[in-house]
Amino acid sequence: AQKVTQAQTEISVVEKEDVTLDCVYETRDTTYYLFWYKQPPSGELVFLIRRNSFDEQNEISGRYSWNFQKSTSSFNFTITASQVVDSAVYFCALASTGSARQLTFGSGTQLTVLP
Amino acid sequence: DAGITQSPRHKVTETGTPVTLRCHQTENHRYMYWYRQDPGHGLRLIHYSYGVKDTDKGEVSDGYSVSRSKTEDFLLTLESATSSQTSVYFCAISPRVSGGSYEQYFGPGTRLTVT
Repeated sequence: AQKVTQAQTEISVVEKEDVTLDCVYETRDTTYYLFWYKQPPSGELVFLIRRNSFDEQNEISGRYSWNFQKSTSSFNFTITASQVVDSAVYFCALASTGSARQLTFGSGTQLTVLP
Repeated sequence: DAGITQSPRHKVTETGTPVTLRCHQTENHRYMYWYRQDPGHGLRLIHYSYGVKDTDKGEVSDGYSVSRSKTEDFLLTLESATSSQTSVYFCAISPRVSGGSYEQYFGPGTRLTVT
């Protein structure tokens, strides 16, 4: 069985602070994919990034960066110089190959960035 | 924009009544999914489809049925709604058959209240 744990239920930071959202996953599969989604207060779900299990390179996109560590089964997400518009619920998710692409989601982290 | 619409967007219904939610896509993607989102649980898969008339159960399928008679439409039916089915329901598509692109794109959601 697959599992995704986002232990941080809520995080509150002041604008311009850096913040890291943790994601730990469990799977028996050797090939899998990890994702981050953002859900702003308006409610839609926005795809942010996909990472393959065989590619452990970290990725940076503007103020966002992702740290994938297979050794610790973690896929953490860092926002640098946070802004109020970053306030949202962030979900980490896992998919294994051959599973009809089913995603297993974590329970989400509510990030509030205060002005 | 993945071309996914959901209808209705909001619905209030009474316990014991049947309810059908519709997901419509414009890009002929093979894979479609229904999730429910509840506080503390993230998104949980109800049912999914991998083609016309090809459907399977997800993690929380009890009390729900689905149908897919056309590629573009995926219907979720609550045969006899209960208060525990009060939730936000999201439809999603996965855009590729091969190539490792397993991310899903979500519709705007339907907020269902069962009184």
